[in-house]
Amino acid sequence: KQEVTQIPAALSVPEGENLVLNCSFTDSAIYNLQWFRQDPGKGLTSLLLIQSSQREQTSGRLNASLDKSSGRSTLYIAASQPGDSATYLCAINDYKLSFGAGTTVTVRA
Amino acid sequence: GAGVSQSPRYKVAKRGQDVALRCDPISGHVSLFWYQQALGQGPEFLTYFQNEAQLDKSGLPSDRFFAERPEGSVSTLKIQRTQQEDSAVYLCASSHNRADQPQHFGDGTRLSIL
Repeated sequence: KQEVTQIPAALSVPEGENLVLNCSFTDSAIYNLQWFRQDPGKGLTSLLLIQSSQREQTSGRLNASLDKSSGRSTLYIAASQPGDSATYLCAINDYKLSFGAGTTVTVRA
Repeated sequence: GAGVSQSPRYKVAKRGQDVALRCDPISGHVSLFWYQQALGQGPEFLTYFQNEAQLDKSGLPSDRFFAERPEGSVSTLKIQRTQQEDSAVYLCASSHNRADQPQHFGDGTRLSIL
């Protein structure tokens, strides 16, 4: 069974700092990895999807890397803003998604 | 509609009652998934449909949980004789007919069992 771990569980930073969120997984036989954002009481918003053949994916201030051999992915958020405050979840796709417990981010104004 | 639609958004039921949760996927999406998210946790896989065929139900926690998608579009997750531990957010996702395609999520149904 795929085990997904996200570290840290919570993170608080002042506005403008860069964010680094980590995700590790145990089984490298995957199709892709998705990073999601979840606001309180809301569903999941897909941020980035990295196919298993890719090393990284970028969208605006977001950059995600994937190292299948070590079972790790990192989400970087540059120049954080208070609007980035949310829970970030990584999910491993081996046709169904296996999620980590998430990292709750607070960006202080 | 443009996105995955779930109803109701909130459901409160007394222990022992049966509940039914609905998911309307993105038009044309062949694959449909149900997930359960407990408070403070990531979502956990429940079951998977490809068109009307339920190909994987390994995540359903007990035989009180039943899902169907009779015409390959709308899906219903039914929970019989609800228990307090069934309280959670139930999320539905859909995707195109390839395993490497992204899954698109609805806003979920928050179920509270009293």
